[in-house]
Amino acid sequence: GAGVSQSPSNKVTEKGKDVELRCDPISGHTALYWYRQSLGQGLEFLIYFQGNSAPDKSGLPSDRFSAERTGGSVSTLTIQRTQQEDSAVYLCASSLAGGRNTEAFFGQGTRLTVV
Amino acid sequence: AQSVTQLGSHVSVSEGALVLLRCNYSSSVPPYLFWYVQYPNQGLQLLLKYTTGATLVKGINGFEAEFKKSETSFHLTKPSAHMSDAAEYFCAMLTYGNNRLAFGKGNQVVVIP
Repeated sequence: GAGVSQSPSNKVTEKGKDVELRCDPISGHTALYWYRQSLGQGLEFLIYFQGNSAPDKSGLPSDRFSAERTGGSVSTLTIQRTQQEDSAVYLCASSLAGGRNTEAFFGQGTRLTVV
Repeated sequence: AQSVTQLGSHVSVSEGALVLLRCNYSSSVPPYLFWYVQYPNQGLQLLLKYTTGATLVKGINGFEAEFKKSETSFHLTKPSAHMSDAAEYFCAMLTYGNNRLAFGKGNQVVVIP
């Protein structure tokens, strides 16, 4: 597609429920990132996928968070047993090859509200 | 530890006045530095980046930034603020061997008519 697409744009869920957030990267981009943006906290790295390599999961805040990337394209971020502190905007980005010389393009994000 | 610092979460500037957003970084190796802008309910858009070479970098919308190694800074400027510049601005860093962008906490810019 023309840009990084994320769905849903907004999600309200009850505490304790599981949620899935989807990211469609730009076609041909091998690198994909998930970030979390909380009010006043900037952007927090969550996970990074590069091609067929093992993902860098070092930013995931707890074992309730997981992500997968199927076929090197679409990615799903799953949050199990959601808590109120999970409320944030979740941003996905993709880049052509990862690394320092490639620009990361961001989606519009999914605003998650846990009530 | 590698980190990016942006001071002052909210910045007010009069229309036509200088925009100055400060960014300092901490890194043991030469970093790549970026400024992103985020308009309401949108994703981040790259304004400009410094990789190597010329330390004064020009970006979109009349913004520029200067990399100063001695001051570990990468401040963003625009000579004359426009109402359309109201947005949130993030400074970010990449370092060698690390594929993740480290972001500052952002500056919310308000332009006063």
